[in-house]
Amino acid sequence: GQNIDQPTEMTATEGAIVQINCTYQTSGFNGLFWYQQHAGEAPTFLSYNVLDGLEEKGRFSSFLSRSKGYSYLLLKELQMKDSASYLCAVRLRDGLTGGGNKLTFGTGTQLKVEL
Amino acid sequence: ETGVTQTPRHLVMGMTNKKSLKCEQHLGHNAMYWYKQSAKKPLELMFVYNFKEQTENNSVPSRFSPECPNSSHLFLHLHTLQPEDSALYLCASSQVRAVFHEQFFGPGTRLTVL
Repeated sequence: GQNIDQPTEMTATEGAIVQINCTYQTSGFNGLFWYQQHAGEAPTFLSYNVLDGLEEKGRFSSFLSRSKGYSYLLLKELQMKDSASYLCAVRLRDGLTGGGNKLTFGTGTQLKVEL
Repeated sequence: ETGVTQTPRHLVMGMTNKKSLKCEQHLGHNAMYWYKQSAKKPLELMFVYNFKEQTENNSVPSRFSPECPNSSHLFLHLHTLQPEDSALYLCASSQVRAVFHEQFFGPGTRLTVL
């Protein structure tokens, strides 16, 4: 089966740095996505890692270790608007069926940024 | 705006009603998806369409019936639903074989079954 774990809730202070962890046990790993979802809105793409290492994009960075089944999303210089749910999703390999982009999601981490 | 629109945004229906959810993508993508998002649970993939052909049915009850008339439109037909089907239903699209292959989500339809 597929299993993705991430903390349910986190709280951080405006201007600080926060790291949201995600661990996974899946078959046929083919990349890991991070999405941001504000309440009542669509999830929006933040980052994609398929090779080990750190991907940096402005205030957001994402790290992947395939051997450890581990990823984290790092948010720097936190702003109030960063309060949202952060979804970790693993892309499964679909080579035989060509079934498109099948993603398995974690439950999401609700981040609250306080003054 | 992600380029994926969904209607209606909110829907309340009784267990004997029949209704349909609509999704439209304006991104030129060739794959579309239906997900169910319930409180405290992960996003659950329901159906996948590639090039208008259904390639995934994730053990979804037959009271949910998808339809993909073309690569830009996706419907989810609902009939004789149960209260536990109340959830946020999200549509997404992607470009198969793109570099990132990320999915673009619509804002969802909040469904309440009475």
